[in-house]
Amino acid sequence: QKEVEQNSGPLSVPEGAIASLNCTYSDRGSQSFFWYRQYSGKSPELIMFIYSNGDKEDGRFTAQLNKASQYVSLLIRDSQPSDSATYLCAVKEGGSYIPTFGRGTSLIVHP
Amino acid sequence: DAGVTQSPTHLIKTRGQQVTLRCSPKSGHDTVSWYQQALGQGPQFIFQYYEEEERQRGNFPDRFSGHQFPNYSSELNVNALLLGDSALYLCASSLGRSSYNEQFFGPGTRLTVL
Repeated sequence: QKEVEQNSGPLSVPEGAIASLNCTYSDRGSQSFFWYRQYSGKSPELIMFIYSNGDKEDGRFTAQLNKASQYVSLLIRDSQPSDSATYLCAVKEGGSYIPTFGRGTSLIVHP
Repeated sequence: DAGVTQSPTHLIKTRGQQVTLRCSPKSGHDTVSWYQQALGQGPQFIFQYYEEEERQRGNFPDRFSGHQFPNYSSELNVNALLLGDSALYLCASSLGRSSYNEQFFGPGTRLTVL
């Protein structure tokens, strides 16, 4: 049974701070890792994906992958109130077409 | 460049009825996956269609069925609706040849079963 674990939160950070969201996964064969942002009542929006160990940066977002420890993180720098949403982690094992989703972490950025 | 579209946006049904949800994938994509998302949960995989065939299926009963058309659009059918089928139904499109390809979600259909 593949599992993707996320702390449901909420994680509350002040505006301008760094928000750190974490995700652990159980399947060592996992090869693809995705972060989705989901605003309340809306559908998930893909914001980052990473396949290799290390960091991947895109604007204010950085995804960090550590396959040996089986975790993937999302850092949001200079957090804004508009970043307040649920962040879903999704993991695909090698050769699979279907990601397994975590239940998401709720992020609240307060002014 | 058209994104993923779904219809209808909202739907209210009663127990025992049947429902059909529709999805058109993002331009250039050939694969459609369907998910069910209950409140406070992550999306749960129902099934995926590629080349008009069901390529993979999640842990959902046979009451959930689907179809993919030659233009890559897809339908999700749910028979004998239960109260527990109330959820947000999400369609995601991708390019099917590579397992590395990302999935992009449509706006979803909110189904309420009374």
